[in-house]
Amino acid sequence: DTGVSQDPRHKITKRGQNVTFRCDPISEHNRLYWYRQTLGQGPEFLTYFQNEAQLEKSRLLSDRFSAERPKGSFSTLEIQRTEQGDSAMYLCASSLVWEETQYFGPGTRLLVL
Amino acid sequence: LAKTTQPISMDSYEGQEVNITCSHNNIATNDYITWYQQFPSQGPRFIIQGYKTKVTNEVASLFIPADRKSSTLSLPRVSLSDTAVYYCLVGGDNAGNMLTFGGGTRLMVKP
Repeated sequence: DTGVSQDPRHKITKRGQNVTFRCDPISEHNRLYWYRQTLGQGPEFLTYFQNEAQLEKSRLLSDRFSAERPKGSFSTLEIQRTEQGDSAMYLCASSLVWEETQYFGPGTRLLVL
Repeated sequence: LAKTTQPISMDSYEGQEVNITCSHNNIATNDYITWYQQFPSQGPRFIIQGYKTKVTNEVASLFIPADRKSSTLSLPRVSLSDTAVYYCLVGGDNAGNMLTFGGGTRLMVKP
């Protein structure tokens, strides 16, 4: 257990529905990252926050994807109008701003039917 | 960001030493080399990081030659629980420390 928690761990939804995932980072970590991982591939960076500021979001897969970190603590990742191609593991990680090491949560596995 | 190349898979037996080599020909001067381990249905876990020469911790050793164009992760006396995917990453603090994962090396440890 790295100290990063994600909720839910599994989500099954129907195509066209909206889903929201939550990530709680290690409490003193000011950077928070979201990644997506499809079967057999390495994680793919989506976006990251430093405190409450979203400093990189150009890698979000489409405008259906959005993320927030309103108080600089937990973060949410929302996918609107889900598609079957969104089925994947969504990983959250956190770090201190001056450290290279990122600590990953267990992930949320999404299945879009 | 420097691209990494590592074997797709490796097999080993319990008790053996395993060496996984990663090529990163375009590594930049300020890039570090980091290895992560991932078990099925879990997030990646940091193993070791280095800049040059040799780094050792309680889990593994990392060997980096002088030209830094490759690195070797060494796992001493592996056990069945070391069966996992191992990712080699290079990067520094650019773009907010965004990690770029390749396909990784799937290590299978057999009894």
